[in-house]
Amino acid sequence: GAGVSQTPSNKVTEKGKYVELRCDPISGHTALYWYRQSLGQGPEFLIYFQGTGAADDSGLPNDRFFAVRPEGSVSTLKIQRTERGDSAVYLCASSPQRGTEAFFGQGTRLTVV
Amino acid sequence: GDSVTQMEGPVTLSEEAFLTINCTYTATGYPSLFWYVQYPGEGLQLLLKATKADDKGSNKGFEATYRKETTSFHLEKGSVQVSDSAVYFCALSDQSNTDKLIFGTGTRLQVFP
Repeated sequence: GAGVSQTPSNKVTEKGKYVELRCDPISGHTALYWYRQSLGQGPEFLIYFQGTGAADDSGLPNDRFFAVRPEGSVSTLKIQRTERGDSAVYLCASSPQRGTEAFFGQGTRLTVV
Repeated sequence: GDSVTQMEGPVTLSEEAFLTINCTYTATGYPSLFWYVQYPGEGLQLLLKATKADDKGSNKGFEATYRKETTSFHLEKGSVQVSDSAVYFCALSDQSNTDKLIFGTGTRLQVFP
């Protein structure tokens, strides 16, 4: 069956531009997580959705970052006024429910030039 | 806050050698502990987990035991193969209502024939 799908796989954007990163979770998974992985580091939590609502957005670094999951399935991470420090791999994970195994996508590599 | 510390890599071994990758954690309460693996060109995959003290997680010849007294979850394998070459991440799930994962920085394992 299909796993977690993230698009695009790579995104290069200019400093100051707006970007959207998409995550298609495994069908039926109600829990969805976004993480950010900088070079040489482990993934860092950004935001958690249970269904349609953002149950925990404590990891979002600032108000330039926002994420939505309007129908409780696909999620979009939105970054405004991108900065070079936003360059990283953005990972999405989903699980059937909180507390069960999380399945990760292959990530979107964002490069801000 | 909660954190995970794992040994720096790269760890370089010959095929059939014994592997240990150290991992210690700091957490309030009793988190679940995980090892994730990232093979070249692939997404993060759960390798094994343990949910309470003295539990042993195992998979594909890898083992790790949840040691509360030493706050450790060291990864071991008796005989590594070239195909085990990957980056290994130790992680814990926090005790909030999200089960978000907190990762270590990762350890790269290189196995040579």
